[in-house]
Amino acid sequence: DTAVSQTPKYLVTQMGNDKSIKCEQNLGHDTMYWYKQDSKKFLKIMFSYNNKELIINETVPNRFSPKSPDKAHLNLHINSLELGDSAVYFCASSQGIVQMTDTQYFGPGTRLTVL
Amino acid sequence: AQKITQTQPGMFVQEKEAVTLDCTYDTSDPSYGLFWYKQPSSGEMIFLIYQGSYDQQNATEGRYSLNFQKARKSANLVISASQLGDSAMYFCAMRTQGGSEKLVFGKGTKLTVNP
Repeated sequence: DTAVSQTPKYLVTQMGNDKSIKCEQNLGHDTMYWYKQDSKKFLKIMFSYNNKELIINETVPNRFSPKSPDKAHLNLHINSLELGDSAVYFCASSQGIVQMTDTQYFGPGTRLTVL
Repeated sequence: AQKITQTQPGMFVQEKEAVTLDCTYDTSDPSYGLFWYKQPSSGEMIFLIYQGSYDQQNATEGRYSLNFQKARKSANLVISASQLGDSAMYFCAMRTQGGSEKLVFGKGTKLTVNP
């Protein structure tokens, strides 16, 4: 009965490869997000989707492409991986975008290591 | 611009004592929400408590309470009766009406509870 799940939990890959991270939420939420946590633990928004529509794209390189096939899923595809992409990527979801009280619930994170 | 500042990189507390984790914020938006998250060593992000800018009372959730001082733009987290399991990173985050749906995070405070 996991609320927000991500796969895989760990991802180790070579520079230049393409990889995807999948996210699913069973909370019935309308809005989903991708955050990146760097090696210093700093968390920053990357993307947000509301009802499958992109609403935030926070100056992320276009090697990163989110895809939302439906409201419950938001996947992140990364092309031509670079060393600097190594980080923990968190998916999150919230009920919506209208209420200030809409809490974002996070998945367990995916630790990406680029060699 | 929205900004969250957590000035304490690390804090130590004895088991069963109370501890305050500092958070100051900067926004010109009159409507905003403040969130605290806990990140244990296992890596997941756990929502703890929420305070809205128009809330008249300080938020409380079990052993967690928020010392919200609007004029000082501070939203300090108070953990009462610390437990060993409280050892973790704690992040303060803000969402504003004009800042879309994203959460802006502080750099976090690492709390260590000593037996």
